[in-house]
Amino acid sequence: AQTVTQSQPEMSVQEAETVTLSCTYDTSESDYYLFWYKQPPSRQMILVIRQEAYKQQNATENRFSVNFQKAAKSFSLKISDSQLGDAAMYFCAYRGLSGGGADGLTFGKGTHLIIQP
Amino acid sequence: DTAVSQTPKYLVTQMGNDKSIKCEQNLGHDTMYWYKQDSKKFLKIMFSYNNKELIINETVPNRFSPKSPDKAHLNLHINSLELGDSAVYFCASSLRGYGYTFGSGTRLTVV
Repeated sequence: AQTVTQSQPEMSVQEAETVTLSCTYDTSESDYYLFWYKQPPSRQMILVIRQEAYKQQNATENRFSVNFQKAAKSFSLKISDSQLGDAAMYFCAYRGLSGGGADGLTFGKGTHLIIQP
Repeated sequence: DTAVSQTPKYLVTQMGNDKSIKCEQNLGHDTMYWYKQDSKKFLKIMFSYNNKELIINETVPNRFSPKSPDKAHLNLHINSLELGDSAVYFCASSLRGYGYTFGSGTRLTVV
């Protein structure tokens, strides 16, 4: 079974600085998707960024970028120019392709990101 | 237009009761899911439905039963509620697993 590990229960960063959230995963599949979701206090799950494993280029979305290391099974999220609105729980998630999408997402335990003004 | 809507947003009920949470998606997605988020914020998949067929049934108690009247709806029925069922329950949908859209969650409190 796939597992996703987020080793940082909580991270704190000064506003306008850069922070990196770590994620590692374990899988025997060669093709899969990886995701970062943000959950603010409103509890809504918001997709931050998605990476297809077959793509070597790291995904970016404005201030958010990932460092995808397939061989190391590592998928870290970098947030540049941190803003107060970035404060939230961040979840790393994995989805294998063998199930055709029916097997859903496997989540890590989350990292609580605090932004210091 | 809300893409994935679930009702109610909050549900407080007594132990032993039976309750249902409804979910509807208007995205034309082919698969719907129920996730449970416990008090430590851990999210775990409970069920998924693809074209009205149950695909996954994780190790959840059989007091929980998903019901899908059509592709756009996946309701969660819970019998004989227990204190440990208190959690936030999320409905989600996807199109062949490429993109997942979540509902806003239902906070269930069993007293």
